[in-house]
Amino acid sequence: NAGVMQNPRHLVRRRGQEARLRCSPMKGHSHVYWYRQLPEEGLKFMVYLQKENIIDESGMPKERFSAEFPKEGPSILRIQQVVRGDSAAYFCASSPIGPGTGTDTQYFGPGTRLTVL
Amino acid sequence: GEDVEQSLFLSVREGDSSVINCTYTDSSSTYLYWYKQEPGAGLQLLTYIFSNMDMKQDQRLTVLLNKKDKHLSLRIADTQTGDSAIYFCAVSGNTPLVFGKGTRLSVIA
Repeated sequence: NAGVMQNPRHLVRRRGQEARLRCSPMKGHSHVYWYRQLPEEGLKFMVYLQKENIIDESGMPKERFSAEFPKEGPSILRIQQVVRGDSAAYFCASSPIGPGTGTDTQYFGPGTRLTVL
Repeated sequence: GEDVEQSLFLSVREGDSSVINCTYTDSSSTYLYWYKQEPGAGLQLLTYIFSNMDMKQDQRLTVLLNKKDKHLSLRIADTQTGDSAIYFCAVSGNTPLVFGKGTRLSVIA
């Protein structure tokens, strides 16, 4: 049973380019979460998705960031017109059930380290 | 919203016990987690405790929960150099996980 997969593991972009980060949840998991970790910081929640739906995007910056989790295929976190402040590690997690419904234990992927030059 | 606090650094000698502490603010938090992050890696789930429990033991790990004081701790017995990592406390209720900033554990041989 493969764990949560993320690719690419490392991504370098120049200012103004677009970054696309992919996350494949664990088999049987339909809930996906994206987090951002700045250097020397904890993880900050960005967005929570269930298949084809955004459930909670309260942690997502209002501009340039978007996320999707289509019926088929991985979840995508998209950052348009990247700036240096977007440099961080972006982690995806998945769970079989959603928050508040029981043990919604989240399993994390290895992360994508984005560097903006 | 929920706020989770941890001390940032802890240094122990190999073979000693490590105790990592965490405080949180939302009394409705139902599950409380400990994750481990090694350099350059993702987060590894170590253990979790449900809010109606006081203690949970799993091999070298002991989790203590004081719900009245909203205080969670992780004790690692017989700490080894391989335990050197950042340990994150995280809590959940009806909202996605809220993480502390992590405690960096250094084990001195």
